[in-house]
Amino acid sequence: DGGITQSPKYLFRKEGQNVTLSCEQNLNHDAMYWYRQDPGQGLRLIYYSQIVNDFQKGDIAEGYSVSREKKESFPLTVTSAQKNPTAFYLCASIRTGANTEAFFGQGTRLTVV
Amino acid sequence: GENVEQHPSTLSVQEGDSAVIKCTYSDSASNYFPWYKQELGKRPQLIIDIRSNVGEKKDQRIAVTLNKTAKHFSLHITETQPEDSAVYFCAGDKWDFGNEKLTFGTGTRLTIIP
Repeated sequence: DGGITQSPKYLFRKEGQNVTLSCEQNLNHDAMYWYRQDPGQGLRLIYYSQIVNDFQKGDIAEGYSVSREKKESFPLTVTSAQKNPTAFYLCASIRTGANTEAFFGQGTRLTVV
Repeated sequence: GENVEQHPSTLSVQEGDSAVIKCTYSDSASNYFPWYKQELGKRPQLIIDIRSNVGEKKDQRIAVTLNKTAKHFSLHITETQPEDSAVYFCAGDKWDFGNEKLTFGTGTRLTIIP
């Protein structure tokens, strides 16, 4: 649905462990984004990438890391340095240009136990 | 960087009445303002957008207005229906040193009362 897939849908992590969230798209979009969604706080930008092998920090990048080795893939690692990692994470693939549109994955709900 | 503020955070409207959600942005260089709708348990989806060279855009029961001078834009939903119940996000977009950056507001939970 929409050509962008996030996995897994639900993820549980023990405190102190790193965990990687997967995001894959087959829409041939150059730009991909990671957002975190918390109740009452909307969609906050974690990292974004406009092109392969390049990415920029968003507004809340601390405790997260990303890579962009392939155009289709933009995995997000939640490290042990992230103090409050329990949240809903949304990946988006962006069609840029005259008709900009963000296509979101179905999200990953991460719970730290 | 860009800061997008959205009000109200929650809105309840009687079915058939109109709903208005307002957003303000801080960066005058932003030139594209989309609105996304997120139904319960689903991903956000684009419903309407407006560019900075246009003051108003309509699509059936949905309209968006933009005031560049005041740096605010609004979503208007007329003749509301139960299926309009969802969380709505506004966003501002601009090129930032060659990178396009889409910044979202905090969301409005709209509830349509039958």
